[in-house]
Amino acid sequence: GQNIDQPTEMTATEGAIVQINCTYQTSGFNGLFWYQQHAGEAPTFLSYNVLDGLEEKGRFSSFLSRSKGYSYLLLKELQMKDSASYLCAVATNAGKSTFGDGTTLTVKP
Amino acid sequence: DSGVTQTPKHLITATGQRVTLRCSPRSGDLSVYWYQQSLDQGLQFLIQYYNGEERAKGNILERFSAQQFPDLHSELNLSSLELGDSALYFCASSLGEPNTEAFFGQGTRLTVV
Repeated sequence: GQNIDQPTEMTATEGAIVQINCTYQTSGFNGLFWYQQHAGEAPTFLSYNVLDGLEEKGRFSSFLSRSKGYSYLLLKELQMKDSASYLCAVATNAGKSTFGDGTTLTVKP
Repeated sequence: DSGVTQTPKHLITATGQRVTLRCSPRSGDLSVYWYQQSLDQGLQFLIQYYNGEERAKGNILERFSAQQFPDLHSELNLSSLELGDSALYFCASSLGEPNTEAFFGQGTRLTVV
């Protein structure tokens, strides 16, 4: 089976930087995705990592360490609209995608 | 707009009933995924189809079944509904290659009363 752990909630201040961690245990690892989900809406894709290292995309960056089973999503210059749930998802060779329970981020003025 | 269409958007039905949720994937996408999201819970993977064939199965109840048709649209059938089946059901589609992102539909909100 797969286990994915993320913090349940985080709070940060507008303009600041926040790091959301995700740890996982899986067999047949075939990549890790980060999605953003606003309440009552569909998740939207943020990033994909399959090799170790940092992938930067504007204000958002994602890091992966396969040997440690660890990833993080880094959000810079936080804006109020970044208040949402952030979902870590692990894909396997078998085609399965397993999502973590998500981290609810609240950005305060 | 992700390009993935789910119908209906909302559904209210009684316990014991059966419903069918429909999903049209993005043009060109061969894979369809179904997820269940209950209140205060994360996305639970139910099942994946690729080009008409079942590819991966998650924690899908025996009362639930799905299929993908030749035109690649998919249906999720939920039967003998229970109150606990009330949830948001998402469909997502992707090209099917391992490193491609999934695009989610807006979901069907099912309420069982």
